Amino acid sequence: DQQVKQNSPSLSVQEGRISILNCDYTNSMFDYFLWYKKYPAEGPTFLISISSIKDKNEDGRFTVFLNKSAKHLSLHIVPSQPGDSAVYFCAASAFLTGGGNKLTFGTGTQLKVEL
Amino acid sequence: EADIYQTPRYLVIGTGKKITLECSQTMGHDKMYWYQQDPGMELHLIHYSYGVNSTEKGDLSSESTVSRIRTEHFPLTLESARPSHTSQYLCASSLPSGSTDTQYFGPGTRLTVL
Repeated sequence: DQQVKQNSPSLSVQEGRISILNCDYTNSMFDYFLWYKKYPAEGPTFLISISSIKDKNEDGRFTVFLNKSAKHLSLHIVPSQPGDSAVYFCAASAFLTGGGNKLTFGTGTQLKVEL
Repeated sequence: EADIYQTPRYLVIGTGKKITLECSQTMGHDKMYWYQQDPGMELHLIHYSYGVNSTEKGDLSSESTVSRIRTEHFPLTLESARPSHTSQYLCASSLPSGSTDTQYFGPGTRLTVL
């Protein structure tokens, strides 16, 4: 039972255009959401996050939108650059007993930004 | 920028060998985690720790074990490696701040068991 879903395994965008990566979740207990970027043979790098009390968070070229009623979030990258080409993972957070959080990850979307 | 280190980055080893994957962080984070990721798949939590002398099993059953004797160090050990253990192993850490912990990842260890 996959609680966090990224239904698009890949996305191709032209340089300078907007990239929109989507993520759906099923567990209403998730209250914090994160996006990570991952290059091959490297660990995920934290990009941006959003709390469930907000519907938008912006950081430079990256904006995350959260629609709680639809249990949907999206990451917008504008303008897209070739260096953005990587796998993007959506993650949702829930409490662990005793403190800390458990991240549930989607399967990732491979973004390719073409010249 | 997070400072979390994993060694080795790549390891090819024969069946039956004992291996230890090292993970260290210099940020003083209490919480540390181990994830396993197969190509094209999501990350699965296999172990975590709240602090020194605390270890817990994650969602994905794993034959590995972990220890947390020092805050900065969270090694993972496989007593007898098998080909089914071939995977990428990712270590992460976070500051305690309720449900909004952001986990920072190391570069990972790519393990191949022949």
